[in-house]
Amino acid sequence: AQRVTQPEKLLSVFKGAPVELKCNYSYSGSPELFWYVQYSRQRLQLLLRHISRESIKGFTADLNKGETSFHLKKPFAQEEDSAMYYCALKREYGNKLVFGAGTILRVKS
Amino acid sequence: GAGVSQSPRYKVAKRGQDVALRCDPISGHVSLFWYQQALGQGPEFLTYFQNEAQLDKSGLPSDRFFAERPEGSVSTLKIQRTQQEDSAVYLCASSLVAGFSSYNSPLHFGNGTRLTVT
Repeated sequence: AQRVTQPEKLLSVFKGAPVELKCNYSYSGSPELFWYVQYSRQRLQLLLRHISRESIKGFTADLNKGETSFHLKKPFAQEEDSAMYYCALKREYGNKLVFGAGTILRVKS
Repeated sequence: GAGVSQSPRYKVAKRGQDVALRCDPISGHVSLFWYQQALGQGPEFLTYFQNEAQLDKSGLPSDRFFAERPEGSVSTLKIQRTQQEDSAVYLCASSLVAGFSSYNSPLHFGNGTRLTVT
């Protein structure tokens, strides 16, 4: 069965510091990988997906099939990035997302 | 409304009671999903509807859980004889097209219903 692992429950960085939120997955096929974000008192929303290969709010994520990872990175953290981040996987077929347990990012001033 | 609406926001049930959780997806959205999120965990898939058809119910944890979407819009998740392990946030999500693999059709989540079984 597929699994998504986010090893850090909490990541605390200072404003302006680089951020890397780790995500590893186990799945033998060709998955789609996503990052979802939940800001305080807001609903879960899509941040980015690997297929798009885009930067959203300064965040990027590269799918590394060799390491089965999809780490989320940002070179300079901002206070408004503080939120809960979930990594999620979708198989080639079917419509369900498999989520990791999430990482709280706290950006300190 | 502009987004996915779920009601009630909070529900407290005594063990053994039946509960019904409602989801109003964005108007015109074809796909509707239910997820269960236990404390400290990520959301876990329960079931998927394409219009009124329930195409995947592989995530429903037991036969006490039942979901329907009779007219292809509003959906209800019903839990019979609630147990303490059912305590969780129940999230509903919808997307414009079948599934959500289209870049232009991401999943839109509701705020969830927090169910506490005492």
